[in-house]
Amino acid sequence: GAGVSQTPSNKVTEKGKYVELRCDPISGHTALYWYRQSLGQGPEFLIYFQGTGAADDSGLPNDRFFAVRPEGSVSTLKIQRTERGDSAVYLCASSLFLNTEAFFGQGTRLTVV
Amino acid sequence: TQLLEQSPQFLSIQEGENLTVYCNSSSVFSSLQWYRQEPGEGPVLLVTVVTGGEVKKLKRLTFQFGDARKDSSLHITAAQPGDTGLYLCAGRTGYQKVTFGTGTKLQVIP
Repeated sequence: GAGVSQTPSNKVTEKGKYVELRCDPISGHTALYWYRQSLGQGPEFLIYFQGTGAADDSGLPNDRFFAVRPEGSVSTLKIQRTERGDSAVYLCASSLFLNTEAFFGQGTRLTVV
Repeated sequence: TQLLEQSPQFLSIQEGENLTVYCNSSSVFSSLQWYRQEPGEGPVLLVTVVTGGEVKKLKRLTFQFGDARKDSSLHITAAQPGDTGLYLCAGRTGYQKVTFGTGTKLQVIP
């Protein structure tokens, strides 16, 4: 596709459930980033991939959060035992290389009830 | 942790007014970017500055990178309703992740 695609656009889940958020980057982009954004705040870094490997996962808040990018393209952010505090917009971005312009998707709005 | 503080946090002005948004940090950045984000959308890159003291202009927007590469400003001349949005600065150190600022929410009233 022409841009970064994130699915679903909205997800409502019950506290304690498991969720997966998907990101389809721009074709050919080697770097992929996940951010989390609360209303009116700047995005908070979670993790980024260079190819298939997680180059920096220092932003993942705890071991309930995990992300994969098995073939160096699509990435999935996985959240176990969701908590109400996990409610936020999860943004994905990709760039051709690590130090080049990043393009963002529209985000997945996660609501934990 | 590299913190980027933006001020003001909120700004509501009349169409035609000028405004300046500030982005400050105690860290030195190799480059600094400004983004604009509209509701329901991801941030969109406006500009990247890399040299201390650098000034870039994009139509009515003027971006400046501080001499010490720790701070930046965004000045908008004759604001228009279409400028409404969340403005974010973001800094990068070397080949590290981009760290976003706290954001400035701008509303331009017609």
